[in-house]
Amino acid sequence: EDQVTQSPEALRLQEGESSSLNCSYTVSGLRGLFWYRQDPGKGPEFLFTLYSAGEEKEKERLKATLTKKESFLHITAPKPEDSATYLCAVMGYGQNFVFGPGTRLSVLP
Amino acid sequence: DVKVTQSSRYLVKRTGEKVFLECVQDMDHENMFWYRQDPGLGLRLIYFSYDVKMKEKGDIPEGYSVSREKKERFSLILESASTNQTSMYLCASSGRGNTDTQYFGPGTRLTVL
Repeated sequence: EDQVTQSPEALRLQEGESSSLNCSYTVSGLRGLFWYRQDPGKGPEFLFTLYSAGEEKEKERLKATLTKKESFLHITAPKPEDSATYLCAVMGYGQNFVFGPGTRLSVLP
Repeated sequence: DVKVTQSSRYLVKRTGEKVFLECVQDMDHENMFWYRQDPGLGLRLIYFSYDVKMKEKGDIPEGYSVSREKKERFSLILESASTNQTSMYLCASSGRGNTDTQYFGPGTRLTVL
């Protein structure tokens, strides 16, 4: 059975304090790993798709990396507007997404 | 930009009522999905559809049905709403291909009294 775990469950950072969020997965043949950002009361907003180990993608202060067992979302010099829940999902041969529980990030000014 | 819209942001219904949640996407996507999201349980797949008139059960289909009469529209139906169906409902769509990204709508917060 495909599974996704995320750590930490919650993270509080000071503005400018860089850190990383972890997404660990077990999947029967990875077809894609997806990162989303979700603000309270809203739908998830797509950030990145990673397809193979070693792949990296960047967008503003965010950088996503992928290995065979986990993905990291690195946040460099975060700002308060980066506060949100970050969701990770994988797609395996089952062809449906399996979502992790999310990491709730708070960036304090 | 991909646009997925949902008919209501907030909805309050009574137990036993029939409830329709509508979702429309404007990107000519083949695949559409309905999820519910609850604290501590994350996103759970209710139903999905890979083509018009087609539907497949997800992980938690009990108490729900769906309809896809047109490619751009996917409806979720609660035949007889119950209080345990109070939740955030999220619609998503994706293009053809097994690794296409799912794009989500803004969500409908449904409260069943």
